[in-house]
Formats: sequence, C-alpha cells, structure tokens
Amino acid sequence: GDSVTQMEGPVTLSEEAFLTINCTYTATGYPSLFWYVQYPGEGLQLLLKATKADDKGSNKGFEATYRKETTSFHLEKGSVQVSDSAVYFCALSAGGTSYGKLTFGQGTILTVHP
Amino acid sequence: NAGVTQTPKFQVLKTGQSMTLQCAQDMNHNSMYWYRQDPGMGLRLIYYSASEGTTDKGEVPNGYNVSRLNKREFSLRLESAAPSQTSVYFCASSGQGSSYNEQFFGPGTRLTVL
Repeated sequence: GDSVTQMEGPVTLSEEAFLTINCTYTATGYPSLFWYVQYPGEGLQLLLKATKADDKGSNKGFEATYRKETTSFHLEKGSVQVSDSAVYFCALSAGGTSYGKLTFGQGTILTVHP
Repeated sequence: NAGVTQTPKFQVLKTGQSMTLQCAQDMNHNSMYWYRQDPGMGLRLIYYSASEGTTDKGEVPNGYNVSRLNKREFSLRLESAAPSQTSVYFCASSGQGSSYNEQFFGPGTRLTVL
C-alpha cells in the first residue's frame, strides 16, 4: 500500500539556520505530494504541494521538489525563524480509488531557538 | 467563513461511556474525513465520506461509527469508549476540481478515556 516516511525528529535549530526535513514515499501511479504544518494547539494547515514530477511547491520561504526518480519530497528553508517551530507532516494523495484521501508520515517536530 | 469547526475541544470519558464528536464545514465541500493523531504515528484515517450519503472505512475504523448528516456535517461516535481511544481527533474536508485533494482541518478534539 501507499506509505510516507519522514526523517526522525525532533529537529532543533538556531534562528537563521538552514532546514531540511527528508520525506520519501511509496505509491503506485503518480501521487500528489503535500507538506502540512501544525502549530501548537492547532489543526493542520497546508504549507505547499506538488502534483507532478519535477514540480516545485513553495510558500512562506519553504520549498520542496517532487523527485520521482528518488521518490522524495524533501522540505527546505534557507533561514528559519522562531515562529517556524511546529510539527511538519509530509503526505501523499494517490488518486484513483483513493480519491481525495491522504496518507501521512509520522511528523517531524521542529524547534527553533533565538 | 469559519472553515471547519469541531465540538467539543476537550472531553474526558470513563471506560464504557459513549459520545459523539461533531464536525461542520461551510466551504461547500463534498468530502469529509475523521483522523486520529497519536504521538509518533502521524494522522490515521478512521472514516471518510466522499460525498453526501456515503461513508467508508479508513485505516482504523474499529470502535467508531460515523454519520454524514448532510453536506455540511459529519459526526464521529464512540459507542463504548476504551483507553486505547485516548487521542486527538481531527475532522477535515476537501472540495472539487483541481483542489479535490487539498484538505482543510478543524482545530481538533482532545479526548481522554480513563
């Protein structure tokens, strides 16, 4: 079945450091890929998405590129801020009979210190 | 627009008690979902409703029932709560067209079963 694997956390960085959170997936066909962010005490919010190979999703300084050859969708940000502290989830939507349904990774906790 | 709303925000139950979690969306979305979030396990799909009048099991349906009351509302019922159902529950919805797989989440219900 479909699955998403994220790098183990938690991740702790200093402000202005470079961020990478790794995400790899297993799916049949051509899934859409997503990053969601969950701030403390809140629900998940869509951060960015990519729907086909080589697409780059971007939002709020975060970027991720859909790499079909390595089945990866790593999240990056050049300079993190304290306000980026949150839990980040990678997810895929396989389409077909899974129409609209998402499969999530386990989440990566990011803490950014001043 | 309020987006996706959930009630209650917090609930404590004793083993064997029953309760219903309520969810409503005002975005005219066709599809709605119930997830549970447990530490280190990401979000797991309990049930979903692809459209009004239909419901289907997700990854972890045992111990739960759902009702798609109308296009706006999708409730989750625990008939006889167990400590293993202690979790944070999220409702989500998704629309049509090119954004059919972008899900919008409610703020969650934190449930403790003693």
